Formats: sequence, structure tokens, C-alpha cells
Amino acid sequence: KAGVTQTPRYLIKTRGQQVTLSCSPISGHRSVSWYQQTPGQGLQFLFEYFSETQRNKGNFPGRFSGRQFSNSRSEMNVSTLELGDSALYLCASSLSARGLVTDTQYFGPGTRLTVL
Amino acid sequence: AQRVTQPEKLLSVFKGAPVELKCNYSYSGSPELFWYVQYSRQRLQLLLRHISRESIKGFTADLNKGETSFHLKKPFAQEEDSAMYYCALITQGGSEKLVFGKGMKLTVNP
Repeated sequence: KAGVTQTPRYLIKTRGQQVTLSCSPISGHRSVSWYQQTPGQGLQFLFEYFSETQRNKGNFPGRFSGRQFSNSRSEMNVSTLELGDSALYLCASSLSARGLVTDTQYFGPGTRLTVL
Repeated sequence: AQRVTQPEKLLSVFKGAPVELKCNYSYSGSPELFWYVQYSRQRLQLLLRHISRESIKGFTADLNKGETSFHLKKPFAQEEDSAMYYCALITQGGSEKLVFGKGMKLTVNP
């Protein structure tokens, strides 16, 4: 079974631009979560989508948004990029509707975003 | 506020030595805790979860609510255990989210 895939793997943008990252979950998985990883803050939860609905949300500003399509693929958008948005963005997928406690999350390789 | 603290960033041991990776948490509710691992050039993956009471690759972790700790232990470290280890908890009651510690790099020397 193919793992979680993320595209693009690397991205360079300038301040003020916007960016869209894509995540394709493992086939059959319906939940997709997004995380930001930086050296200073570590891994931080952005949001989780299940059945095209945002189910849980972390403490990020409204510039960070996401969506999920009917095939469970998910996109994350960051508008008005800031230097501090430079990070590795990870997505993770899981199988069922029971939530993060009992579902195993499978992580993608990440998208490395650099904001200049 | 919920918080996960891994007080040591680096740990280096020799093969066959016991290993303990420390994790402390701050959470007002009943915590569900996890250990994730990332081997070199591999993806982040779940190692074990408290709710399952399982032992994976010889690692165990015991929840100590009195000390608010969830330390990861292995009696005899192997070179293939070298990796980044992240402790995490899930907040519950409304909005579930995974809160990670900042991670700890374990190096097992031959």
C-alpha cells in the first residue's frame, strides 16, 4: 500500500505570497492532519480534516487554512507568507472516525517551505 | 495549558546499556500519551501509545500520574535504536489535538 504523499517536497516563496501544499492520504484513510515543524517550536498541530470537514484546529492564525476533498486528499494554504512560516509541513492520515486517541497516524515525508 | 517537556535534547549510550528517555507533561484532564520515533531519513512514526500498554521493539513506557511523567525505557539499547524520539499527548474534550515535546536525539554507539 502506498504511503502518505506530499507535494511539492520543496518550495521557496517570498514574503507576502501565498502557498498551497497538497497531501494524499493512504488509500482508505479518511482523516488528514497537518503539522508545522520548526527548530524553535518543534512539531505543532495545525488542523485535522475528516470527511471534508475540519474536525480539530490548533492555535494558528487565520492565514493558515485547509480543505479536504471527497477523495480525502487535502490541501493546506498559507496566505501572506511571513519569514516565520519557513518550516517543514507534515501531514498525517489515519483510518477511521474514532479520533486521534485510538487511530494510528501515518506521516508523510513533509514539504520544506522556505520564505525569503 | 497542555505541555509536553522532554528535558534532555541529546542522549548517547553504548550498545547494551539501559536507556531512559524522559517525558513530563502538564494537562488538567486525563492524558493519553504517545511516543513517536523518527529514524534517519525516515518518516515520523508511532512507537507506542499508553492506551495499548504495549511493548514495541523492547521499549516500554509507564504513565506516572503523580509525577506527570511518561518515560520511555529499554533495558538493552541497540544501534538501530538511534533516532529522534518525540513524546506527545492528545488533548480531549471538545477539540482533540496532538501536542508534541521538542524531541530528543538518542545515539547508541557500538
